[in-house]
Amino acid sequence: DIVMTQSPASLAVSLGERATIYCKSSQSLLYSSDNKNYLAWFQHKPGQPPKLLIYWASTRESGVPDRFSASGSGTDFTLTISSLQAEDVAVYYCQQYYTTYTFGQGTKLEIK
Amino acid sequence: QVQLQESGPGLVKPSQTLSLTCAVSGGSISSGNHYWSWVRQPAGKGLEWIGRIHTRGTTDYNPSLRSRVTISAETSNNQVSLRLISVTAADTAIYYCVVDRPTYYHMDVWGKGTTVTVSS
Repeated sequence: DIVMTQSPASLAVSLGERATIYCKSSQSLLYSSDNKNYLAWFQHKPGQPPKLLIYWASTRESGVPDRFSASGSGTDFTLTISSLQAEDVAVYYCQQYYTTYTFGQGTKLEIK
Repeated sequence: QVQLQESGPGLVKPSQTLSLTCAVSGGSISSGNHYWSWVRQPAGKGLEWIGRIHTRGTTDYNPSLRSRVTISAETSNNQVSLRLISVTAADTAIYYCVVDRPTYYHMDVWGKGTTVTVSS
């Protein structure tokens, strides 16, 4: 089974500052036949279902603000919020869908 | 746009069986090329994938839950069902129904979730 490890577990960032979350998979998520990384990022707020932010490791979902970006390939991935807004307070999860699904343990993002 | 609505008992006794349904509207569970999944979030913890069923009826389960879980499709009602046996307090969680985006494979549309508490 693929294990997803996120860091840090929690993060406090000032409004307008950059927030960076890391995700590492126990095996490569790069599928050779299509050269795509099967990695998604979700934002989860209390009382709501998780919201898809990013898929294919770096493709922003329609409607997601461009302050959200992601990168990485193989086993190491990053989600960046370039200028933190108050509405970005949430728990963020990476998820592999290379084989079934596995979530990272989550990163709680707060305002400093 | 497909919409998902979870339903079921909010309270289940320890050792009994948890049964939930996911009503699908705006699309048929028996057409296309979809994976219909169940995901849960125990209070204060992270998201956990429980299992999935494909349009063609094949199933996959989280190894940690495989011995207790059954996911099935009720095509006549356009519903996906979850059955979890021998529940304990550790199964107390918000349970979500999710469908993937065809040909993309990532989780796409989520239900609002339903809370299940395991307690006597």
